[in-house]
Amino acid sequence: AQKITQTQPGMFVQEKEAVTLDCTYDTSDQSYGLFWYKQPSSGEMIFLIYQGSYDEQNATEGRYSLNFQKARKSANLVISASQLGDSAMYFCAMREETGSTLGRLYFGRGTQLTVWP
Amino acid sequence: SAVISQKPSRDICQRGTSLTIQCQVDSQVTMMFWYRQQPGQSLTLIATANQGSEATYESGFVIDKFPISRPNLTFSTLTVSNMSPEDSSIYLCSVQVGAVAFFGQGTRLTVV
Repeated sequence: AQKITQTQPGMFVQEKEAVTLDCTYDTSDQSYGLFWYKQPSSGEMIFLIYQGSYDEQNATEGRYSLNFQKARKSANLVISASQLGDSAMYFCAMREETGSTLGRLYFGRGTQLTVWP
Repeated sequence: SAVISQKPSRDICQRGTSLTIQCQVDSQVTMMFWYRQQPGQSLTLIATANQGSEATYESGFVIDKFPISRPNLTFSTLTVSNMSPEDSSIYLCSVQVGAVAFFGQGTRLTVV
């Protein structure tokens, strides 16, 4: 089974508008971390935001916020006030904090975000 | 955070040759991770490299094809051996600092 599911291959948003990128995850661990990364065409992976499974508050980093709904196992990324430079591929990822897979990340298939003027 | 320097940033190689990718971190880390991203795909873990021990490879990846060195706590190399066009991918190293996983700039490899 997929550990990370991103159901939106592509999303379009107008500049200055907000956009939500969806992510659901699957784990039986009680302790895990959720991440969002931005990958521009250059190929680098840029860390955006992190949410721990025990964090009660939703994580925020500037224009990025993570809408964490633990019971629904969802970790959607919200980008407020979109900018043209936000156009990129966005990956959701999870790290399980226990067991033999300690430290590794599981990635979704990504969502290509296009911001238009 | 961590500053990760990965070299080369890109290369075009002939089939049958090998390429070694270097990853240098500005702080000591226990584990370093190597990922592959095939064109249009997500990231897949190749192996986990601990200093002083053999790397641990994921299913589908073998040491003869992707030998890894980890001579100290700030440096690692990944070699892509006997390359074929199917090895054309972005290769990324990653480390965990605190709770966050950081990545190098990636190596975009094209095999012709």
